[in-house]
Amino acid sequence: ETGVTQTPRHLVMGMTNKKSLKCEQHLGHNAMYWYKQSAKKPLELMFVYSLEERVENNSVPSRFSPECPNSSHLFLHLHTLQPEDSALYLCASSQEAEASGGFTDTQYFGPGTRLTVL
Amino acid sequence: AQSVAQPEDQVNVAEGNPLTVKCTYSVSGNPYLFWYVQYPNRGLQFLLKYITGDNLVKGSYGFEAEFNKSQTSFHLKKPSALVSDSALYFCAVRDASSGYSTLTFGKGTMLLVSP
Repeated sequence: ETGVTQTPRHLVMGMTNKKSLKCEQHLGHNAMYWYKQSAKKPLELMFVYSLEERVENNSVPSRFSPECPNSSHLFLHLHTLQPEDSALYLCASSQEAEASGGFTDTQYFGPGTRLTVL
Repeated sequence: AQSVAQPEDQVNVAEGNPLTVKCTYSVSGNPYLFWYVQYPNRGLQFLLKYITGDNLVKGSYGFEAEFNKSQTSFHLKKPSALVSDSALYFCAVRDASSGYSTLTFGKGTMLLVSP
């Protein structure tokens, strides 16, 4: 185990549903990430939170809404998704050196949530 | 801009033979380089990283990687492959000189080790 947990592990939802993915890290890290992993495509960075502030949003559709209430928890709220949003959603965390102004250290990943949109 | 290339979609090797999974990168400054492994229905697991210092980096499960600045490569190697090494391997890079950036991942290479 990497110290990063994700729930649920599997989720099937209709296009009109609202659901949330949860990530929790037990490593004392100060940065958290959401990635989307689709078949035959590179890992896509969706959102980055550093010190509970969103620092990156890579042109993700508004039907995905992240929330980071504290440094240990990260949520991804989902609503009116499309079938092409079906993928493995991965959460990661890292301990970043604030003075460096960038992200230097190793990211540790959770097991992912396998999302299927019908 | 930073980028990573993993030129092989799949690498096949017999158990006991040495393995190499290739990675080349492009950054404008100095690179931080990482290798991750992903087993079926699991998240990515960190294997090793190069930040600075010795060009040969040793990591988990007997894997190692060699940083070659002139060839902008960071190939993953293991002297003797195991069937249990069969998995998807990702190389990632960050430009250490950019001031701010996150990791860019390659598309992944599937390693299949046959008994």
